[in-house]
Amino acid sequence: SQELEQSPQSLIVQEGKNLTINCTSSKTLYGLYWYKQKYGEGLIFLMMLQKGGEEKSHEKITAKLDEKKQQSSLHITASQPSHAGIYLCGAAGETDSWGKLQFGAGTQVVVTP
Amino acid sequence: NAGVTQTPKFQVLKTGQSMTLQCAQDMNHEYMSWYRQDPGMGLRLIHYSVGAGITDQGEVPNGYNVSRSTTEDFPLRLLSAAPSQTSVYFCASSYQTGYNGYTFGSGTRLTVV
Repeated sequence: SQELEQSPQSLIVQEGKNLTINCTSSKTLYGLYWYKQKYGEGLIFLMMLQKGGEEKSHEKITAKLDEKKQQSSLHITASQPSHAGIYLCGAAGETDSWGKLQFGAGTQVVVTP
Repeated sequence: NAGVTQTPKFQVLKTGQSMTLQCAQDMNHEYMSWYRQDPGMGLRLIHYSVGAGITDQGEVPNGYNVSRSTTEDFPLRLLSAAPSQTSVYFCASSYQTGYNGYTFGSGTRLTVV
């Protein structure tokens, strides 16, 4: 089955600083999702990457897919308190459909004043 | 508002009891999935469905049953509740292409005593 490892498990960043989260797959990626979760709430879709080298941005969040490394990174520029939460990557393996989407353990982000 | 509706939001069960967690979506999504979320373990896939009448097992299917008689509904049945099934359960749905991401419900917090 698809295994996704996220790093770091948690991080504390000062408001205004940048941060990066990595998601590494044990298998060739069919595609990859990034989600954000606030404590006690459901998941909010951020973006989806499907092609090697693809890079997408939404406001101050940028994600990139390195197909050869079977890795994706999520970068937040000039972090704000609204960026605090748990970030999860989800992916389906090369031979799986999007129906069998599996997730990493998540990265908890804390933004301090 | 359109989306994924989960009921109930909270539930306490005694060991050995059975119950059904309800999930309904009104977006005509082909794919639906059930996940459980436990501290430090991210989201783990229980069962998923790629269309009405079609279901398959995820990572942690033991102790759970599903059926998909309609496109809209995907109930999750706990056959004989155990304390290890204490968790937060999320239902999610998506179009077959997956491009717009999965839409998640707000979750059901289940405690088995």
